[in-house]
Amino acid sequence: GAGVSQSPSNKVTEKGKDVELRCDPISGHTALYWYRQSLGQGLEFLIYFQGNSAPDKSGLPSDRFSAERTGGSVSTLTIQRTQQEDSAVYLCASSLVGAGGLSPQYFGPGTRLTVL
Amino acid sequence: SQQGEEDPQALSIQEGENATMNCSYKTSINNLQWYRQNSGRGLVHLILIRSNEREKHSGRLRVTLDTSKKSSSLLITASRAADTASYFCATDGETSGSRLTFGEGTQLTVNP
Repeated sequence: GAGVSQSPSNKVTEKGKDVELRCDPISGHTALYWYRQSLGQGLEFLIYFQGNSAPDKSGLPSDRFSAERTGGSVSTLTIQRTQQEDSAVYLCASSLVGAGGLSPQYFGPGTRLTVL
Repeated sequence: SQQGEEDPQALSIQEGENATMNCSYKTSINNLQWYRQNSGRGLVHLILIRSNEREKHSGRLRVTLDTSKKSSSLLITASRAADTASYFCATDGETSGSRLTFGEGTQLTVNP
């Protein structure tokens, strides 16, 4: 079946502009995660959605970052007033269950964001 | 603080040799997972080991977990050039919900 998809695959923007990144999780997966990965680094957790529960936003680096998940499926990560340090690959993942469950996370291909 | 930390940071071996990568973590976990990443893009899940398990196998992969030492190892046997990638361990902590905490990875290069 279809995996996690993300769009766009690449985004180049100018400093100060807003960007929206989209994630389509695997159908039926209740949990959705956003991570970002700077060059040569591991993944940094940003935000986690589980069903209808309030999202865990504890990883968002600043109030310029926000995310929503509509209808329990597609998610959009928005970065306002982008800065050069926001340049990274933004990865989305989904899983069947969260909260200590034993379902692995399945990752999308990522969006490479470059802020000039 | 860094939860998962892999070592070595980089490993270069010849095709056919075994590759061992290690991961250490700091807090109690529900499970530990290993992922592979090619070319800095999407991660592929390799194997998940529960906190009450000590060893798990999947094909040429063998993962061990020592919760007393808060460490895990990933062994790839009979390596192939196609195994060249970055390998990350990720922990699902007891107190962190289901968010995964990743280490910075080991870059494995398998030379043909």
